[in-house]
Amino acid sequence: KAGVTQTPRYLIKTRGQQVTLSCSPISGHRSVSWYQQTPGQGLQFLFEYFSETQRNKGNFPGRFSGRQFSNSRSEMNVSTLELGDSALYLCASSSNGQETQYFGPGTRLLVL
Amino acid sequence: AQKITQTQPGMFVQEKEAVTLDCTYDTSDQSYGLFWYKQPSSGEMIFLIYQGSYDEQNATEGRYSLNFQKARKSANLVISASQLGDSAMYFCAMREPTGANSKLTFGKGITLSVRP
Repeated sequence: KAGVTQTPRYLIKTRGQQVTLSCSPISGHRSVSWYQQTPGQGLQFLFEYFSETQRNKGNFPGRFSGRQFSNSRSEMNVSTLELGDSALYLCASSSNGQETQYFGPGTRLLVL
Repeated sequence: AQKITQTQPGMFVQEKEAVTLDCTYDTSDQSYGLFWYKQPSSGEMIFLIYQGSYDEQNATEGRYSLNFQKARKSANLVISASQLGDSAMYFCAMREPTGANSKLTFGKGITLSVRP
């Protein structure tokens, strides 16, 4: 089975812009979770989608949003980018959210 | 409150030797899951091993084993016969409670360097 894929792998944006990141889960997996990783805060949970519904949400401002499509692919959007949004964004998939989460390679976002 | 604690500074181990990476956790739930992930410099998080709170046996996966001491709330990762490719960051994570919540809480990670 192919693993979790994320696109793009690298992004450079400027403050105030918005960005959309994409994640394709392992075939058959219906749960997709998103995490932000920064040197200062470490790995933090953003949200989880299951069957096109947001099932769980972390403590992030409303500028961070996401969605999931009927084929389980997920996107996350960050609007009005701030310098502090520079991070590695990881998505993870699992069969139903209750099993092991498998991560993608991540998207490195740099906000200038 | 911090739920996963990984306090070891950068760890060094000689190739072919065993190494233990420490992890303590804090939860009031009886049902939870503990995970270890490896993150090489490329950034991808690689799943290594899982231990459920009700599992009576310590989990093992090839060269990885988890030393689970429930009363002490510790879940240490043991890597046997270290290889150069084991050099990476290692994260301990917890999911609580199992079956109802897919959120993983991660520790700060431990850097492991394997010397030839």
